[in-house]
Amino acid sequence: NAGVTQTPKFQVLKTGQSMTLQCAQDMNHEYMSWYRQDPGMGLRLIHYSVGAGITDQGEVPNGYNVSRSTTEDFPLRLLSAAPSQTSVYFCASSYSYRGGTGTDTQYFGPGTRLTVL
Amino acid sequence: AQKITQTQPGMFVQEKEAVTLDCTYDTSDPSYGLFWYKQPSSGEMIFLIYQGSYDQQNATEGRYSLNFQKARKSANLVISASQLGDSAMYFCAMRDSTTGGFKTIFGAGTRLFVKA
Repeated sequence: NAGVTQTPKFQVLKTGQSMTLQCAQDMNHEYMSWYRQDPGMGLRLIHYSVGAGITDQGEVPNGYNVSRSTTEDFPLRLLSAAPSQTSVYFCASSYSYRGGTGTDTQYFGPGTRLTVL
Repeated sequence: AQKITQTQPGMFVQEKEAVTLDCTYDTSDPSYGLFWYKQPSSGEMIFLIYQGSYDQQNATEGRYSLNFQKARKSANLVISASQLGDSAMYFCAMRDSTTGGFKTIFGAGTRLFVKA
């Protein structure tokens, strides 16, 4: 069981470039999500998915796109990178998404550190 | 509205002593989960412990225990016998069903320093 994997670990982009952050999980989790963490702050939800073909916006979705064609994969696309998107990006997954069920614990990938110049 | 509050930006503890990290939460949903995560300087988010709102007993995982006081809406993390490797950022989080469970909210975190 690899858990949640993310690639790349580090990335430097120039303003205006696009790229895709990859996320995969092998736990057959229904729910997947993307967060960003800025210095000295907690995590903020960008987008989430409750199953293949179903995605929705979180708190800070502008400038990002997602899709979920399979249960395992949930890529995050930066359409036109901006310096404000310099951050650490975490992908997470959980078996369920109903609070208090005992299977709603999210497990995180190792993160991608993105710098936009 | 959902809310998580961690009032201690930083904490110091002597090695081998116990330490309590505070967390209060707010939700109107009777069904919710509370989580603690550790983030060491290497940056990964490590899940430590879970408490469900209907759980009768406080959760324990090795040296970690969660002091769950439902009426006071607090979910403090207790680390017993602190080790140097416990130095890290600790986040309290909550997931309820008011928004369908789609969103887990995180506190601002507490940075723990363990002194030798």
